[in-house]
Amino acid sequence: SQTIHQWPATLVQPVGSPLSLECTVEGTSNPNLYWYRQAAGRGLQLLFYSVGIGQISSEVPQNLSASRPQDRQFILSSKKLLLSDSGFYLCAWVEGSSYNEQFFGPGTRLTVL
Amino acid sequence: QQPVQSPQAVILREGEDAVINCSSSKALYSVHWYRQKHGEAPVFLMILLKGGEQKGHEKISASFNEKKQQSSLYLTASQLSYSGTYFCGTAKPNDYKLSFGAGTTVTVRA
Repeated sequence: SQTIHQWPATLVQPVGSPLSLECTVEGTSNPNLYWYRQAAGRGLQLLFYSVGIGQISSEVPQNLSASRPQDRQFILSSKKLLLSDSGFYLCAWVEGSSYNEQFFGPGTRLTVL
Repeated sequence: QQPVQSPQAVILREGEDAVINCSSSKALYSVHWYRQKHGEAPVFLMILLKGGEQKGHEKISASFNEKKQQSSLYLTASQLSYSGTYFCGTAKPNDYKLSFGAGTTVTVRA
């Protein structure tokens, strides 16, 4: 069966520090991968998605970047965090097109101080 | 462009019914519904595809009217476990991503 992992589960970082969040999927191959951010009490904002190794589409211009070095690994990074980067970061995967169910990982709660 | 959900919040007593609406200004091919409990990841409920297809999940069902570009989620005889925030996600043809609404918070009380 398929599983999706995210780490760390929680993170507290000072403004201006770098960030690296990792997401890995098991039990499937060539999934579409997604990074979402959810501010407190708000909806799901799509940040990046990837349909293959090295293929990244950015939805919102900001100080974040994403990479997909392996088929089932998706990394979210920042060189310098802003206060507004605080939130709940969710990774998700889909087998095939967007017409299929998205499976979400457990999320990383990031607080930037 | 993200879909618009209504209402923003609803409070129910166990056994009562509720309807959550999701509408878009653009043509849709599919609508997804998810439920998120506080502090947890969203969990998939159902997908509706173009064609007015109706699908159900226990006592939760939904409809998709592609002419009106809207979907409705029906919570029937609500249970305490139905509490959470419900999100609709919409997809256009040949698109790899979903646009999510702002969510509808449902509180079911005993």
